[in-house]
This record gives sequence, C-alpha cells and structure tokens, in this order.
Amino acid sequence: AQSVSQHNHHVILSEAASLELGCNYSYGGTVNLFWYVQYPGQHLQLLLKYFSGDPLVKGIKGFEAEFIKSKFSFNLRKPSVQWSDTAEYFCAVNWPSSASKIIFGSGTRLSIRP
Amino acid sequence: DAGVIQSPRHEVTEMGQEVTLRCKPISGHNSLFWYRQTMMRGLELLIYFNNNVPIDDSGMPEDRFSAKMPNASFSTLKIQPSEPRDSAVYFCASSIGGAWGNEQFFGPGTRLTVL
Repeated sequence: AQSVSQHNHHVILSEAASLELGCNYSYGGTVNLFWYVQYPGQHLQLLLKYFSGDPLVKGIKGFEAEFIKSKFSFNLRKPSVQWSDTAEYFCAVNWPSSASKIIFGSGTRLSIRP
Repeated sequence: DAGVIQSPRHEVTEMGQEVTLRCKPISGHNSLFWYRQTMMRGLELLIYFNNNVPIDDSGMPEDRFSAKMPNASFSTLKIQPSEPRDSAVYFCASSIGGAWGNEQFFGPGTRLTVL
C-alpha cells in the first residue's frame, strides 16, 4: 500500500541549529514529492516540490530537500533555523497509479526555542 | 488574490445534526479537493473534483458524508447526521490541472466539533 512516513513527531531545536526532518515513502518508480508547511493558525502552503531533474531541491525560506531514490527518501533540511520556522511540516507523495491523490505523512511539529 | 475561501471557520454542533461546509476555490483552478485532518489519522483526502465532476470519492468515510460541486466556484461537504467522531479540521484545496504534479492551494480550514 502507498504510504508516507515521517519519523519525528515533534522536534525541538534552538535558534541557529541545523534541521533535518525525515520522510520515507513506501515504494518507488516515478513519484512527485512535496513538503508543505502549516504555520500556527494558518493554512498549509507549499515549501518545495520535486518532479524530476536535480535531486536537490531548493524551496522558500532557505529550505531544501534531497530526493534519494534508492532510499525512497525525501528529507527536508535547513542549515540554520529561526524562531519563525515554528510550524508543522508535512511530506507528501503523488504516485502515477493514484494520480488523483497526494498521500500526506502524519506531520512533524517543529518548535524553535528563541 | 483571495486564495481558497472556506466557511464557516468554526462549527460546533450536536450529534445528529446536519453540517454543511463550504468552499470557494481559487478562480481559474479546475480541481478541488476536500481533506480531513485529525490527530489519529493525519491529513486524509476525502474527495477530488475535476471540472466540477467527482473523480475519486474513495476517501469518503461513509454514506453520511456527501460532497457537491454545482459550479466551478463553489463546493459543499455535508455530513448528515453528524457524529462526535466526525470532529476534525476539514480543509478544501484547489489546483490547476489535477493532483498529479501540481501544487495544491489550501484554504484555512473549518474546525468542526460535534458534541
């Protein structure tokens, strides 16, 4: 079955720390990969996406993600977090066999200590 | 640009009552999605419309749930009768060209509490 796993439910970091949030999906082939972010009290918005090409994808606000096909992973990274990065982060995957669906991971809540 | 508009933002109702959630997608978007978010199950797709036609409703939990899209600028999600386990945040999202490879733009959500 198609599934998306986010291993960290809650991550707490201090400002300026480096961030890596894990995302794995159940099986490969051609996939589209997304990271969405939900800031407190706001709606989900797209951080970045991967469709093809360079597996290192740059997104907004200094975020990046690396697609590693052999590991079925699409981890999100940021070298130095800010307090304003406090939010919930969702990994999402789109498979061609279920092209009408984006399957979301359970989310990782990121708390940044000022 | 108004973005996806949902109403109401909060709804508190009693078990057995009918609940109607509303969504206005971004103008020009031809795909609309309804999601439900709960602590237990995360973010789940309920139904997907393309050009006002329901394409995939496999995520609709049961017959108590129904969704319509009478025109390109309006959709409703109805729960009748509502139950406490329906308490969740319901999101509407829209995109150009369907889910495959396209960014979805989410509304602010409707927080539903069924007592």
